[in-house]
Order: sequence, then C-alpha cells, then structure tokens
Amino acid sequence: EPEVTQTPSHQVTQMGQEVILRCVPISNHLYFYWYRQILGQKVEFLVSFYNNEISEKSEIFDDQFSVERPDGSNFTLKIRSTKLEDSAMYFCASSARYEQYFGPGTRLTVT
Amino acid sequence: AQTVTQSQPEMSVQEAETVTLSCTYDTSENNYYLFWYKQPPSRQMILVIRQEAYKQQNATENRFSVNFQKAAKSFSLKISDSQLGDTAMYFCAPHVTQGGSEKLVFGKGTKLTVNP
Repeated sequence: EPEVTQTPSHQVTQMGQEVILRCVPISNHLYFYWYRQILGQKVEFLVSFYNNEISEKSEIFDDQFSVERPDGSNFTLKIRSTKLEDSAMYFCASSARYEQYFGPGTRLTVT
Repeated sequence: AQTVTQSQPEMSVQEAETVTLSCTYDTSENNYYLFWYKQPPSRQMILVIRQEAYKQQNATENRFSVNFQKAAKSFSLKISDSQLGDTAMYFCAPHVTQGGSEKLVFGKGTKLTVNP
C-alpha cells in the first residue's frame, strides 16, 4: 500500500541553524501539506501546496519557513534559523483530494 | 471549520466494551468532510474513518462508526469491542475548504486507554 515517507525521523539542531525536513508524498497525490505538533498539544496546520505553489499558509509559517517540490517527488520544509520553540513533531501529508495521509513525522529538537 | 471541540481530554474503557468519543465543530459550509485520526504512542497519524457531510448515512469501518448530526455540528466516534491496540490519542478533524484553502483543523484530542 502506498505511503508517505519522511526523513529524518529525528533531527537535533542548534538554535540558529538551518534544517531541511524531507517528505516523499504518495505518487499520484496532488495536494501536499505540512503540519506540526508540539509535544502534548494538538496538530497545527502550517502550509498547503498545490500545482507547484503555496495555496495557504498559517500565521506560524513566517519568513523563516519555506517549502519546495524540487524534483517532482520530494516535498521539503526548510526552517532557515531555528528557534527553541520550533521543537516539535513535523508531519507531512498528501491527498488526492480531501482524504489526507500522513507520514510518520520528523521529530525536531532545537537546543 | 475553525473551531473543533473535543470535550473529553481523557477516557478509559474495558477491553471488549464500547466507547464513544465526542466532537463538535463550527463551520459555515454546507458540503465538507470530517475525519477521525488515531495517534498511538509512536505518534504516527492514522486515518480511522471519514464522513461526507452530504451523506445522511453514518460511516462505518469495521469496529469504528460515527454518529454524524449535521444540524448540531456533531461528529462522534464509536469504537465497539475495544481492543488494547485502540489505546491512543484520537483527533477529530474537519476538512476546511473556505476561501480556496484546503486543510484539516484538529481538535485537542481525546486520550483513550483500553484496560485489560
């Protein structure tokens, strides 16, 4: 069964460093998303991506964040200068339309 | 839907019994989709069940079923014959399409523990 994959599973970085989180969505899906979940809290929407452009972003998704689909299969989330409060689980999801399938997540720890 | 309320932060149930998790939401849309996701300790988000708002019939997926009350904006999840593997966080998540956007809006979740 097709699934969304994410790498790495766990990333530790120092404050101020850049990180790139990678996702491979399900191959015939057209909509891509990033969500994050701070430990013990609910899942929050970050950004949606369709037709090679951002379709919506949340207030969390400021200038420090960017997304790319560099090669038609990967979907990346970049955080330019990480802050302590960026520590969270980051989930990539993809959908053909409404039903979103999530990857296993990348746990980002900023020290 | 911009507000999703799951009023039960924690629940517990004995193995083989039935439990119902509640969810209410706020939306001005007429056609939309609703989802329940399960998050076990591994933190993977697993799709449990979906409901199309235009369908009057409640969705069923094996031991999982929903009670969808569109007028009341209520979307509860019933788990029958609970199993130890059902222990997880459960999130209600309407799919929002307002203004051309496409996203899930999550509730705060209900932590379900199934006891042997």
